[in-house]
Amino acid sequence: DIQMTQSPSSLSASVGDRVTITCRASQGISNYLAWFQQKPGKAPKSLIYAASSLQSGVPSKFSGSGSGTDFTLTISSLQPEDSATYYCQQYNSYPWTFGQGTKVEIK
Amino acid sequence: QVQLVESGGGVVQPGRSLRLSCAASGFTFSSYGLHWVRQAPGKGLEWVSVISYDGSNTYYADSVKGRFTISRDNSKNTLYLQMNSLRAEDTAVYYCAKGSLAAVAGTADYWGQGTLVTVSS
Repeated sequence: DIQMTQSPSSLSASVGDRVTITCRASQGISNYLAWFQQKPGKAPKSLIYAASSLQSGVPSKFSGSGSGTDFTLTISSLQPEDSATYYCQQYNSYPWTFGQGTKVEIK
Repeated sequence: QVQLVESGGGVVQPGRSLRLSCAASGFTFSSYGLHWVRQAPGKGLEWVSVISYDGSNTYYADSVKGRFTISRDNSKNTLYLQMNSLRAEDTAVYYCAKGSLAAVAGTADYWGQGTLVTVSS
């Protein structure tokens, strides 16, 4: 199975800050990488697919990059509504695997 | 708009069975693969199973292989997960998710709200 490792596990940042989350795959996955946002008690929401393509309706403050084994999710200007846990997920091969999550809090 | 509504969760004793359903609307159900993903209390996301648009292709996580069966009824726009020989470690919120493609490739673009399964004596 492909292991997905996210860093950091949690972070605290101020409103307006630029936030970057990193995801590393244990083997190359091309660009078969997605990012999801999950708020407490809610279902995950798709943000990005194919490493850098924004899902319909997702604000442009979210962006993704990377290919192969190293990927990043960036929030350009953090807002209170962005407080959530973010997961990366590889869909290069089954079983799908997710990162352990990064909890983003607002200072 | 896309809607996925799971049902069938509850409290069940170890070793017993449960069937989850996911009713879909807002898209052409028979054209997309569908997934089950679960989340144990306070834990991360774990993929469970996928079925292709026509049911001809399925995959399972090793943790559920041989115990769970995914199926779909395209005439009813409904996805199912038959769970047998349940264990305490199957306790989780189970989400159904719409695949982005017809086959089993692609990621998930929409998720249901989830249904809680608790396996306990």
